[in-house]
Amino acid sequence: DAKTTQPPSMDCAEGRAANLPCNHSTISGNEYVYWYRQIHSQGPQYIIHGLKNNETNEMASLIITEDRKSSTLILPHATLRDTAVYYCIVRVSNFGNEKLTFGTGTRLTIIP
Amino acid sequence: DGGITQSPKYLFRKEGQNVTLSCEQNLNHDAMYWYRQDPGQGLRLIYYSQIVNDFQKGDIAEGYSVSREKKESFPLTVTSAQKNPTAFYLCASSMTEYSNQPQHFGDGTRLSIL
Repeated sequence: DAKTTQPPSMDCAEGRAANLPCNHSTISGNEYVYWYRQIHSQGPQYIIHGLKNNETNEMASLIITEDRKSSTLILPHATLRDTAVYYCIVRVSNFGNEKLTFGTGTRLTIIP
Repeated sequence: DGGITQSPKYLFRKEGQNVTLSCEQNLNHDAMYWYRQDPGQGLRLIYYSQIVNDFQKGDIAEGYSVSREKKESFPLTVTSAQKNPTAFYLCASSMTEYSNQPQHFGDGTRLSIL
């Protein structure tokens, strides 16, 4: 699986959009980009994933550059409950026999 | 609500004792996984199962055992052979019908040694 690079920490004001970047310059054509977050002492929570088109769901938007070498997770109106470690993962999907490899992620702190 | 339930939330093990961590899901997922997370580190795969009555070793299976007798359940036993069992244990599940479906996680069990 391709390696990802994320900033170790970011701050965002409550109510503003939080934009979390991820570089994955060695991504292959069949690898998807997944985002998870982990709040302290809880299990990772799936947020969103995509292949090459931008994606949006009730939690966030995922913007993938045209060359697919980087992506940005956008939390449109950040709240205090969005404070967590956010992980960007790039992987080829298999059918139930894949393992997730979490890097160090970005620690996002929402400031009141 | 559909989801993955892990129990107990906290567990203490005495030296030489086997303990079993429970994982139940009502998402109708075929695949289930067990990961271990140590402080400040990423996840490491212990075991996974793609279908009932079948499971495979992950990267750190030594000292652990699993069973998959029902689709909904994938218990993990931490045996006395696991010399450093103190960690946060996470169970996950996923669909297998489509290749890009994400894994979903429970809230974990924190195991400590007395």
